[in-house]
Amino acid sequence: QVQLVQSGAEVRKPGASVKVSCKASGYTFTTFYIHWVRQAPGQGLEWMGIIRPSNERASYAQKFQGRVTMTRDTSTSTVYLELRGLRSDDTAVYYCARDPGTSSSWFDPWGQGTLVTVSS
Amino acid sequence: IQMTQSPSSLSASVGDRVTITCRASPRITNNVNWYQQTPGKAPKLLIYAASSLQSGVPSRFSGSGSGTDFTLTISSLQPEDFGTYYCQQSYSTPYTFGQGTKLEIK
Repeated sequence: QVQLVQSGAEVRKPGASVKVSCKASGYTFTTFYIHWVRQAPGQGLEWMGIIRPSNERASYAQKFQGRVTMTRDTSTSTVYLELRGLRSDDTAVYYCARDPGTSSSWFDPWGQGTLVTVSS
Repeated sequence: IQMTQSPSSLSASVGDRVTITCRASPRITNNVNWYQQTPGKAPKLLIYAASSLQSGVPSRFSGSGSGTDFTLTISSLQPEDFGTYYCQQSYSTPYTFGQGTKLEIK
């Protein structure tokens, strides 16, 4: 079955960087886009950006431009989210999600989430 | 694009019909999806493209709407339907979500 498995929880100090992984299985990795969405504690969902695994082209929400990079490794069917210059308000659960849409976009399935805690 | 979801919370009994609405500004054709999230879990896709039921999702869930006003309906509420529901627009990036509706089972 289609599955996205993310890396484990991370703790970072303010100003540091973090890199979260998302390993895909159960389908042809290069066929579908992957999105990243985050959720701060007790808050709603926030879209961060999208990567096309076939050519590694990515598009980011303006809020994160300059601080975020999405990459992929086709040999391991893994996408990565790197966030730099971490602040306390970056503390959140970060999700990857596949986009199976054709004429539009939707997210299914989602990874299990990775908690990133930013604290001094 | 702003997605305004209502109500922010509701409490209903098993067997009730439940409706959650989402208003888009500006209008966005039918590019709206609905998700359910239970505590400690990732969101789960219920409805895509406003009215298409995701495979494996019970038929008591349905979606409707186009343009600015969208609705998620649960025809007969079941105990496992508790959680927070989110609408999301995929008309243009940045893709945005409603603020969520927390559904409690009485």
